[in-house]
Formats: sequence, structure tokens, C-alpha cells
Amino acid sequence: AQSVTQPDIHITVSEGASLELRCNYSYGATPYLFWYVQSPGQGLQLLLKYFSGDTLVQGIKGFEAEFKRSQSSFNLRKPSVHWSDAAEYFCAVVPNSGGYQKVTFGTGTKLQVIP
Amino acid sequence: DAGVTQSPTHLIKTRGQQVTLRCSPKSGHDTVSWYQQALGQGPQFIFQYYEEEERQRGNFPDRFSGHQFPNYSSELNVNALLLGDSALYLCASSHTGGDIQYFGAGTRLSVL
Repeated sequence: AQSVTQPDIHITVSEGASLELRCNYSYGATPYLFWYVQSPGQGLQLLLKYFSGDTLVQGIKGFEAEFKRSQSSFNLRKPSVHWSDAAEYFCAVVPNSGGYQKVTFGTGTKLQVIP
Repeated sequence: DAGVTQSPTHLIKTRGQQVTLRCSPKSGHDTVSWYQQALGQGPQFIFQYYEEEERQRGNFPDRFSGHQFPNYSSELNVNALLLGDSALYLCASSHTGGDIQYFGAGTRLSVL
């Protein structure tokens, strides 16, 4: 069955420290990959996406993610975290078949930033 | 350019009642998807509408139904509400054939 796993439910980092959020997927073929961020009481905002090509993708707010086919992973990174990055982060996948666009989400990682 | 808008923002219902949630897609988008996000969980796909028809459906009972109007806006209806239906309901819109969905802020439904 298709699935997305975010093994870290909750992560705490100090402001200015680096960040890596993990995401693994299980699909028959490489899907399209996304990271979304959700602030309290808000909807989901797209941070970045990977469809094909360069395996290191840049997103908004200084985030980047690296696709590793051999590990079925799409980890999100940021070199220096800001207090405003505190939110919940969701990894998501869409089958690479075009047309129908059912998005499957991971369970999320809640990021806490301490001064 | 307005993004995806959902109404109402919050809603409180009692068990057994029926509820209707509304969504207006982003300008130029013709496909609307609905998701349920329970507390502490990731969003779960309910169904997707395109050309006023349900195109794909997740693992949700028939109590969950929807509709899409000619202007591409959409409604989500839930009948015979259960306590477990309490959640944030998210609407997302996209171009058909496109691969990026844009989400609204959601409707928080509380069932008492």
C-alpha cells in the first residue's frame, strides 16, 4: 500500500540551529513529492515540491529538500531556524501519473523553536 | 487574486445533525478536493470533484457527500454526525492535470 512516514512526531531546536525533518515514502514508482507547513489555526502552505530533475530542491522561507531514490526519502532541511518557523510540517506525495491528484500526507512533525 | 476560501471558519453541531461546508477555489482552478484532518493527524483525502462529478474518493462512508457547482465552487455535506467527525476540514483546488494543490484555511467542525 502507498504510504508516507514521518518518523519524528515532535522536534525541538534552538533558534539559529540547523534543522532536518525526515520523510520516507512507499510507492510503486517515484511519486511527486511535497512539503507543506501548517501554522496553528491555518491551512497548509506549500514549501517546495519535487517532480523530476535536480534532486536538491529549493523552496520558500529558506527551506530545501533532497530526494534520495535509493532511500525513498525526501528530507526537509534549513540551515538556520527562526522562531517563526515553529509550526507543523507535512510531507506529501501524489502519484506520478498526472490527472487525478489524490494527495497522501504523512502524520506530520511538530517543530518547536526555543530561544 | 483570492486564494482558496472556505466557510464557515468554525462550526458546532450535535450528534445526528447534518452539516454543509463550502469552498471557493482559487481563480482559474477547476478541481476541488476535500480533506479531513483530525487533531494530531495529517489530512486524509475524502473526495475530489471535477466537472461537477466526484472523480475519486477516499475511505469515507456515504454519510460524506459533496457537490460541485458550474462556477467550480464546492460543498461538503456530512449527515448523521458522529463525535468522530470532529476535525478540521480542508478544501484544496488545482488545475485538472496539474500536480499542485492549494489549500484553504479550513473549517473547524466540533460535534458535541
